Amino acid sequence: DAKTTQPPSMDCAEGRAANLPCNHSTISGNEYVYWYRQIHSQGPQYIIHGLKNNETNEMASLIITEDRKSSTLILPHATLRDTAVYYCIVRVSGGSYIPTFGRGTSLIVHP
Amino acid sequence: GAGVSQSPSNKVTEKGKDVELRCDPISGHTALYWYRQRLGQGLEFLIYFQGNSAPDKSGLPSDRFSAERTGESVSTLTIQRTQQEDSAVYLCASSPTTGALYGYTFGSGTRLTVV
Repeated sequence: DAKTTQPPSMDCAEGRAANLPCNHSTISGNEYVYWYRQIHSQGPQYIIHGLKNNETNEMASLIITEDRKSSTLILPHATLRDTAVYYCIVRVSGGSYIPTFGRGTSLIVHP
Repeated sequence: GAGVSQSPSNKVTEKGKDVELRCDPISGHTALYWYRQRLGQGLEFLIYFQGNSAPDKSGLPSDRFSAERTGESVSTLTIQRTQQEDSAVYLCASSPTTGALYGYTFGSGTRLTVV
C-alpha cells in the first residue's frame, strides 16, 4: 500500500468547515483514497472514497489533487459529534487485502 | 444482524488467565479481521479470515494468541496466559469481499484490561 501522511491533530470551530489533509505521494494509478473515522470508544466507520474525481456524500466531500499525490477530506459544517480520529488509507480495490490504519488525525471540534 | 457484534464489551482479567473474545460478523460477509488498538495508538492487524481459506495469521504477536472461525460465521480470539501488555481494545471487522474497503464494518470492540 502507498504510504500516507496526516497531521497528528487539528481543531475546528463548530459550524465551520473542517479540512483534513492527507499526503500520498507514492500512490499508484489503480489505488483509491479511502477515509475512515473513529469516534471515541467505537470502531472505525467508513466515510468516503475516490479514485481521481472529487466525491461527495451525505457525510463529507473528498477533493483529490490532479496529480493524486494528496487529498483533502472536507466536513462542510463540523459539529461536536465530528470530534474523532480520521484515517486516510490508500489501497487498490479488489484482491486480498488487509487494511492498515495508522495514527490518523485527531480532530477536535470546539463550541 | 445489522452490524458487527462483539462480546464482551469489557473484560477485566488477572494476569496469567486465559480470555476468549467473540465476534459475530454481518451475515453474508466472507472476510473477517481482528485488530488490536492500544491506548492512543493506531490499529494493529492480528488475523484475517476469508471464507474457507487458511487464515492469515501474520499479525499475531505471539503463540499465546489464536483465533478460530467456523465457515463464514462467528469468530473467537483467544489469548492464553494474559500479560499486562495485552491490555487494549480488540476490534473485529467484516466485509462482503476482500477488496471492497467501503464495505468494511467494525464492531465496537472489546476492552481488555489485564491486572
